[in-house]
Amino acid sequence: DVKVTQSSRYLVKRTGEKVFLECVQDMDHENMFWYRQDPGLGLRLIYFSYDVKMKEKGDIPEGYSVSREKKERFSLILESASTNQTSMYLCASSLSLHEQYFGPGTRLTVT
Amino acid sequence: AQKVTQAQTEISVVEKEDVTLDCVYETRDTTYYLFWYKQPPSGELVFLIRRNSFDEQNEISGRYSWNFQKSTSSFNFTITASQVVDSAVYFCALRENNAGNMLTFGGGTRLMVKP
Repeated sequence: DVKVTQSSRYLVKRTGEKVFLECVQDMDHENMFWYRQDPGLGLRLIYFSYDVKMKEKGDIPEGYSVSREKKERFSLILESASTNQTSMYLCASSLSLHEQYFGPGTRLTVT
Repeated sequence: AQKVTQAQTEISVVEKEDVTLDCVYETRDTTYYLFWYKQPPSGELVFLIRRNSFDEQNEISGRYSWNFQKSTSSFNFTITASQVVDSAVYFCALRENNAGNMLTFGGGTRLMVKP
């Protein structure tokens, strides 16, 4: 079974803090994704990576950056957290052109 | 423009009722893939099905069935004899051939099955 894990289920941060969300997958998938989920908006893609050190912007990259130093790990970075980044963050991984497998999500609250 | 529309934001049924979740998509690609995912209260999206644009055959898996109709750009999902454990948010998603590995999700439908 594919296993995608995320470092925290719940996180509370203050405005202006730098926030790191970590995601690890154990199935040697080349593709990894970060989404945010907000009510009524579904999932929106922030960034994705198709290989180590490679990244592509998704639909809503503003205010975020990513890092992929190892194939199994994909980090999402909020350089200076703001209240409008309060959301559920979901990580996923996949083989090329196959279905994506998701982690349990991190609910981030920025106060 | 939204490419995947799930018009039903919330549906409530009583256990053992049948329920259909609607999904309408928009694409100019002739080759594309459609997906359904289930998100139970635990939060983790679970993959249910993938269908490519050249395969319009309906699919049945236990109590779940999917009706793909290219003529109406719809990919509807029916749960027969619903159970409380079916309560979840369900997402329909589209992957266009020219979008590589990127998925576009609908807004989701929250299904509540009451005992």
